[in-house]
Amino acid sequence: AQTVTQSQPEMSVQEAETVTLSCTYDTSESNYYLFWYKQPPSRQMILVIRQEAYKQQNATENRFSVNFQKAAKSFSLKISDSQLGDTAMYFCASNTGTASKLTFGTGTRLQVTL
Amino acid sequence: DAGVTQSPTHLIKTRGQQVTLRCSPKSGHDTVSWYQQALGQGPQFIFQYYEEEERQRGNFPDRFSGHQFPNYSSELNVNALLLGDSALYLCASSLGGRGRFFYNEQFFGPGTRLTVL
Repeated sequence: AQTVTQSQPEMSVQEAETVTLSCTYDTSESNYYLFWYKQPPSRQMILVIRQEAYKQQNATENRFSVNFQKAAKSFSLKISDSQLGDTAMYFCASNTGTASKLTFGTGTRLQVTL
Repeated sequence: DAGVTQSPTHLIKTRGQQVTLRCSPKSGHDTVSWYQQALGQGPQFIFQYYEEEERQRGNFPDRFSGHQFPNYSSELNVNALLLGDSALYLCASSLGGRGRFFYNEQFFGPGTRLTVL
């Protein structure tokens, strides 16, 4: 079984600043994927970034990057140059491949302020 | 290209009633997963359908059942509604059948907000 833990219920960051959201996970699988999803007030869950566990290089997507520490089972999301449109709930999630369910954390509410 | 669509957007039911939620997958996708998201929580996996069969199931009672049609659309049925069934129900579609560790992104719909009174 997989578990995902997000210990920061809420965070706030000023526009143009950098913020890091934390996530830890636990799994007995050797092959798995990790994700960060964004859920704005519109409710649509949008994939922000994904990381394959077998890849040591941290994933990057424009202003979004991750710090994947496999031994520590840690998977944090860094948002650079924060924008007002980044305001949303952010969920960390994991699965073991295309055929398997996603396991989500409880989410972090991020507020970007002027 | 239409993404994942769900209907209805909102629904209000009373305890004991039955409800059916619908999902149309993204064009070209053949796998549909359903998730329940209670207020302030992360989504919880209910079940997944592929080739019109339930392929995986989460820790939900038999009151939750589903169906997938030949056109890959799917329904989620909940019988004997309880107050605790009030939640946002999310549908996600993807391409399946490519092997366990082949990755295909799950695309989510906007959800159906179910309120049980």
